Amino acid sequence: AQSVTQPDIHITVSEGASLELRCNYSYGATPYLFWYVQSPGQGLQLLLKYFSGDTLVQGIKGFEAEFKRSQSSFNLRKPSVHWSDAAEYFCAVGKRAAGNKLTFGGGTRVLVKP
Amino acid sequence: ETGVTQSPTHLIKTRGQQVTLRCSSQSGHNTVSWYQQALGQGPQFIFQYYREEENGRGNFPPRFSGLQFPNYSSELNVNALELDDSALYLCASSLTSGGDTQYFGPGTRLTVL
Repeated sequence: AQSVTQPDIHITVSEGASLELRCNYSYGATPYLFWYVQSPGQGLQLLLKYFSGDTLVQGIKGFEAEFKRSQSSFNLRKPSVHWSDAAEYFCAVGKRAAGNKLTFGGGTRVLVKP
Repeated sequence: ETGVTQSPTHLIKTRGQQVTLRCSSQSGHNTVSWYQQALGQGPQFIFQYYREEENGRGNFPPRFSGLQFPNYSSELNVNALELDDSALYLCASSLTSGGDTQYFGPGTRLTVL
């Protein structure tokens, strides 16, 4: 069965500093990969996605992620964090043969220090 | 173009009761999925509907059921509520059923007392 691990439950970063959130997945073939962000009490907003092609994916709000097949990873990065980036971030994997079912990681909560 | 909407925003029920949650898909989307997000956890897939038929289900008991209507709006029904059903219920719509991007609604917060 597919699974997603986000090793960091909490990350605190200073405003203006860079951010990297880790995501590792377990899946037998090339999956669909997603990063979503969730503000408190809100639904999920799509940041970016990887289906195929270029392994460096650009998303909204200045985020990017890199798919590394050899490491089964899809880490999210942002060069300079803004206070509004404080939220919970979820990595998710979809299976090409399983419709739109997504398996989510446990999430990483990002706190931004002024 | 309107996004995915859900109603109600919050709901409080007691154990053993039944509940219906509603979702309106994004315009043009024929597939809807439902997820349960317990406090402090990632969302878990409940099931997916495509053109009014269930076409995928996660590890949830039969007391979780759904409907999709011809206008692609959807309902999630939960019978015999248990305390552990307290969670944020998220609806997501997508253009197709075949591994497409899902767009999420704001969710319904269900509390079971």
